[in-house]
Amino acid sequence: KQEVTQIPAALSVPEGENLVLNCSFTDSAIYNLQWFRQDPGKGLTSLLLIQSSQREQTSGRLNASLDKSSGRSTLYIAASQPGDSATYLCAVRRVDSSYKLIFGSGTRLLVRP
Amino acid sequence: EAGVVQSPRYKIIEKKQPVAFWCNPISGHNTLYWYRQNLGQGPELLIRYENEEAVDDSQLPKDRFSAERLKGVDSTLKIQPAELGDSAVYLCASARQGAEGYTFGSGTRLTVV
Repeated sequence: KQEVTQIPAALSVPEGENLVLNCSFTDSAIYNLQWFRQDPGKGLTSLLLIQSSQREQTSGRLNASLDKSSGRSTLYIAASQPGDSATYLCAVRRVDSSYKLIFGSGTRLLVRP
Repeated sequence: EAGVVQSPRYKIIEKKQPVAFWCNPISGHNTLYWYRQNLGQGPELLIRYENEEAVDDSQLPKDRFSAERLKGVDSTLKIQPAELGDSAVYLCASARQGAEGYTFGSGTRLTVV
């Protein structure tokens, strides 16, 4: 059974700091991995999607890496801003026809001005 | 293009009452998902539709939950009767059949009192 774990559960950093969010999964047989952002009371916004054959994806100040063999992904946020404050969720899609996403519990990020 | 539209945004009901949520996916997206997100947790799949067919409802509590997607477009999710433990955010997502990523709606926050 695929399990996804995100550490830390919460993180508070001063503005401008570079930071790394961690995601680990137990079954390396994944189709892809996706990072989402969730603002309080809102739905999920897709940030980055990494196919199983890829090592990383970048979008602006965000960089996500994938090490499938070790079951790990990291989301790197450069020069953090107060507007980055949100919950960040990672999710893996299984290698089957279900298209089902298995989510971690998320990391709640607070960037202090 | 318009995103995934869900209504209502919030719903408060007394236990044992019925409740229904509505989702309008992105035009042309054949795959529709309902997920449930408990407080402090990641979303969990309830049901997946391919057009009007429910192809994965294995995690839908069928004693009280039902869903439909008539004509393969809009979908409704119903709970009858609601229990206190049903309080959560109900998220709808859609994707082109076989597409790589989902688009989520803003969700319906249900509180059962």
